[in-house]
Amino acid sequence: TQLLEQSPQFLSIQEGENLTVYCNSSSVFSSLQWYRQEPGEGPVLLVTVVTGGEVKKLKRLTFQFGDARKDSSLHITAAQPGDTGLYLCAGGDSGAGSYQLTFGKGTKLSVIP
Amino acid sequence: NAGVMQNPRHLVRRRGQEARLRCSPMKGHSHVYWYRQLPEEGLKFMVYLQKENIIDESGMPKERFSAEFPKEGPSILRIQQVVRGDSAAYFCASSRQGPYTGELFFGEGSRLTVL
Repeated sequence: TQLLEQSPQFLSIQEGENLTVYCNSSSVFSSLQWYRQEPGEGPVLLVTVVTGGEVKKLKRLTFQFGDARKDSSLHITAAQPGDTGLYLCAGGDSGAGSYQLTFGKGTKLSVIP
Repeated sequence: NAGVMQNPRHLVRRRGQEARLRCSPMKGHSHVYWYRQLPEEGLKFMVYLQKENIIDESGMPKERFSAEFPKEGPSILRIQQVVRGDSAAYFCASSRQGPYTGELFFGEGSRLTVL
């Protein structure tokens, strides 16, 4: 069974601070996605990474896929209250012939004005 | 373009009743997935369907749960004889290509409460 561990589970920071959240596994994934979910809503896809070592930037968000494709990080620069939400990572493994995404439990981020 | 549409958004059932949750995928998407999210838990895969076919139902409980995606109309997740443990948010997602790209578009979810 593939597992994705996300840390920290909760994070509360002041507006303007930088932060990094992590997504780790002992398994290799062929792709990894980051989603953001707000209360009462469905997850919204932020980014997909597929190549080991890949770095993608989305405005103030920087996503990195580990060289071994077992872990990923999300770095937010100068956090804003609008960044508040639950950040979920999810891994897919086409090599295993599986059709499902494995989700972590998420990091709940609160950005205080 | 409209996103993934789920209804009802909220559903209350008493133990033993049936719950039917509907999902219309995004236009042009023929792959549909159902995930369940329990409080303080991550999203758990239930089933993957293409039109008229169940491709992978490895995450579905063996009893009381069924899913379909008919040629016409929305995908339906059906839970018979609901129990309190079925209370959760049920999310439907769709994709244009198969699941290996991992780029799923989720609906806003249907929140089932079993009294």
